[in-house]
Amino acid sequence: GAGVSQSPRYKVAKRGQDVALRCDPISGHVSLFWYQQALGQGPEFLTYFQNEAQLDKSGLPSDRFFAERPEGSVSTLKIQRTQQEDSAVYLCASSLDRLATHEQYFGPGTRLTVT
Amino acid sequence: GENVEQHPSTLSVQEGDSAVIKCTYSDSASNYFPWYKQELGKRPQLIIDIRSNVGEKKDQRIAVTLNKTAKHFSLHITETQPEDSAVYFCAASPYGNKLVFGAGTILRVKS
Repeated sequence: GAGVSQSPRYKVAKRGQDVALRCDPISGHVSLFWYQQALGQGPEFLTYFQNEAQLDKSGLPSDRFFAERPEGSVSTLKIQRTQQEDSAVYLCASSLDRLATHEQYFGPGTRLTVT
Repeated sequence: GENVEQHPSTLSVQEGDSAVIKCTYSDSASNYFPWYKQELGKRPQLIIDIRSNVGEKKDQRIAVTLNKTAKHFSLHITETQPEDSAVYFCAASPYGNKLVFGAGTILRVKS
């Protein structure tokens, strides 16, 4: 079956521009996570949705970062007024149910480069 | 919050040898410990996981051990092959949702 998909795969933004990154989770998966992976490092948690409810946004680095999942399926991560330090791979993961003791399946990521 | 440390940062082994990667975690509430393999430019892929009610789990050439008392867990790969070369990440899950990852281990298998 189809895995987690993300678009675009690559995004180049000029500093100060707004960007929107899309995640399509595996159909039927209740939980959705966003992670940020800087070059040479492990993924770092940004935010977590259970269906349409954003239950944890403690990892969002600033109020320039905003995420939504209005219908409990597709999710969008928006970054306003991008800065160079936002350059990273943004990974989306989904999990079958509300317990993260269920496996998280990752998408291919969106590589964001801010120039 | 949870903190996961991973060692070594790089590991080179000869094809056919074993490889061991170790992780420690800080939050005793963590109860789920997955291991992911990430090839260059690709998505992290789950290779094995273990839950806190189990001390060891094995899947063919891969095994994971967990010591809850010491708060550490390890990945063991036997009979390594060149296609095992990748970056491996351990992770711990506190509070039943997010994963906290280690910094990763670059594994090189020399043929």
